[in-house]
Order: sequence, then C-alpha cells, then structure tokens
Amino acid sequence: SQQGEEDPQALSIQEGENATMNCSYKTSINNLQWYRQNSGRGLVHLILIRSNEREKHSGRLRVTLDTSKKSSSLLITASRAADTASYFCATDADYKLSFGAGTTVTVRA
Amino acid sequence: GAVVSQHPSWVICKSGTSVKIECRSLDFQATTMFWYRQFPKQSLMLMATSNEGSKATYEQGVEKDKFLINHASLTLSTLTVTSAHPEDSSFYICSARDLQLGHTGNSPLHFGNGTRLTVT
Repeated sequence: SQQGEEDPQALSIQEGENATMNCSYKTSINNLQWYRQNSGRGLVHLILIRSNEREKHSGRLRVTLDTSKKSSSLLITASRAADTASYFCATDADYKLSFGAGTTVTVRA
Repeated sequence: GAVVSQHPSWVICKSGTSVKIECRSLDFQATTMFWYRQFPKQSLMLMATSNEGSKATYEQGVEKDKFLINHASLTLSTLTVTSAHPEDSSFYICSARDLQLGHTGNSPLHFGNGTRLTVT
C-alpha cells in the first residue's frame, strides 16, 4: 500500500538552484529512503536515513527526518540538468518498501 | 555495486497470451525479491514479495493466479502474467535486497530497469 505523500507533485527550477521536496507518512518506520527514477527506467537508490537519525548528507543531497511529525525532506543543492527526474520517498516497515507519489523535478539549463 | 537485471525491457503480446518477466541479481544473493507495478506518472505499487524456495506473498487485491511468481534460486525470480489483457498493460519493476546486508532491514533495494508490457 502507498504510505508516503510527497509535495510538491512537480517542481521546475533553473540550473544551479536548490530543489526541496517533502514526504509525509503515516505509520512507524525502520527507515526512510529516497530514490530517483529517470523516465521509463528503474529506480536508483539515493540515500537511506534510519528512524533514529535526524539528518544525513550525501554529496549534493541532504535529507532530514522528523519522526515526531512523520515527515522527511530531500534537498538537492546546486542542481544540474542531469538531476531532472522523478524522486520518490519510500518508508521501510516490516522489510517492505511503500512508495510515495513522487515529485517530478525539471532542471532548466 | 549491486546490479539487478530485468528482462525483457519491453514486450508486446496479444490478449490471452502469457508473458514471463525475469529478474536476476547479478552480483549478490537475494532471498527476497519484490515485484512492483507502475502506471504512467504514478507511484510504484507493491504487487508481491517473492521468497526463495517458498510461495510468494501477494498484496491485497493482486490475483495470485494471474500473476504467477517463482523464486527458484537466490538470484532469480520470475513473474508470469497469465492470460494477459489490455488492462494488464503497465510498467513492471522488480527489486531485491542483498542477503548479506538486508536480512535485518536498513538496507536499500536494488531495482531492475523495468519491463514495459503492452497487451493488444
């Protein structure tokens, strides 16, 4: 079942700008993961944040997790045209992932 | 890195025929693989969890007799869409966790590139 809800549904930014997207979920989780999907392709894992972590960085990515609010955010800094894709959050409970609806990010050159 | 190979990448079949999709973990072992379905511009919906050496676990609303799953080895799971109809047209994606990393959770899924099924 789909647990996460993402906001916004779509985002268009200029190259070099930052992109922020949010994810909210409903039940307790072991961890929350973010994935990227290029059109017509499979998903690529970006970052995993455990339920006892609050913030995590990986390159130009920054993820926060607030378990009290059941929400997470993904920040992509200094965006590039190659960052154009759909981004999904996924909550991990009982070893199954439930995906949010996704945010479509378009980075304009 | 961990690679999951999914084949075929696309298939067109006639209504009433069956289609088999293969999902292989190339450089790791996976006792569990997951099959998802994705409609255009929508999220991934988990269809079933494929367990090596045992029966698959299907999500509510997914017909197990229509979507046959076999997980014969630690590196191969197959999804067969039986008696396909146009409404089965969709993007099917498999994923797997590395057995060594994923048994206790807190590990990412590795995804295949998906199979675009079109039933005419």
